[in-house]
Amino acid sequence: SAVISQKPSRDICQRGTSLTIQCQVDSQVTMMFWYRQQPGQSLTLIATANQGSEATYESGFVIDKFPISRPNLTFSTLTVSNMSPEDSSIYLCSVVGLRQETQYFGPGTRLLVL
Amino acid sequence: AQTVTQSQPEMSVQEAETVTLSCTYDTSESNYYLFWYKQPPSRQMILVIRQEAYKQQNATENRFSVNFQKAAKSFSLKISDSQLGDTAMYFCAFVDRNRDDKIIFGKGTRLHILP
Repeated sequence: SAVISQKPSRDICQRGTSLTIQCQVDSQVTMMFWYRQQPGQSLTLIATANQGSEATYESGFVIDKFPISRPNLTFSTLTVSNMSPEDSSIYLCSVVGLRQETQYFGPGTRLLVL
Repeated sequence: AQTVTQSQPEMSVQEAETVTLSCTYDTSESNYYLFWYKQPPSRQMILVIRQEAYKQQNATENRFSVNFQKAAKSFSLKISDSQLGDTAMYFCAFVDRNRDDKIIFGKGTRLHILP
């Protein structure tokens, strides 16, 4: 399975600011996804990060709030813009490898917005 | 719409006992995968076991096995000889292979292994 790292692992941010989360994989992968997990909840898919093109967002999530980049097959970023306390969550990236049908998850970024 | 239902929000069992977590799903598709993921307090999502829908044989990984009943759309997870390290949130998940590998998660079952 791929080794996935996320930066930062956690952060405390002020309302109105933005935070960019990085996801790095140690091998090329076909699919990369970004999820949000609010406290005590299951995971909710934010978007699919497409290499070289705009991300595909799920219902309820928009590019202005969650801009995503994926410049190559091993790296993606998610920005949480103009944050409010409701954005306090764990944000996880996941990947599907070139020869596998299973999603593997990064360690997550724990975000607290004050 | 495709859905995944976990009817047990929380369970507790004694160490060394066997426990079964329930999961049902709803789909009209035939090409799909089912997964169980574990999320311990560290928050890392860990793949426990995977089942391809076209395989009749139930998947097994050491102490973890599934009971896959395709007609009933049921996919339960059995943990044998439970250990304290099995304490975690367990998520049942469904992937429709025709929909870009997007995962649909159940709401999870919080499992406590008691010493």
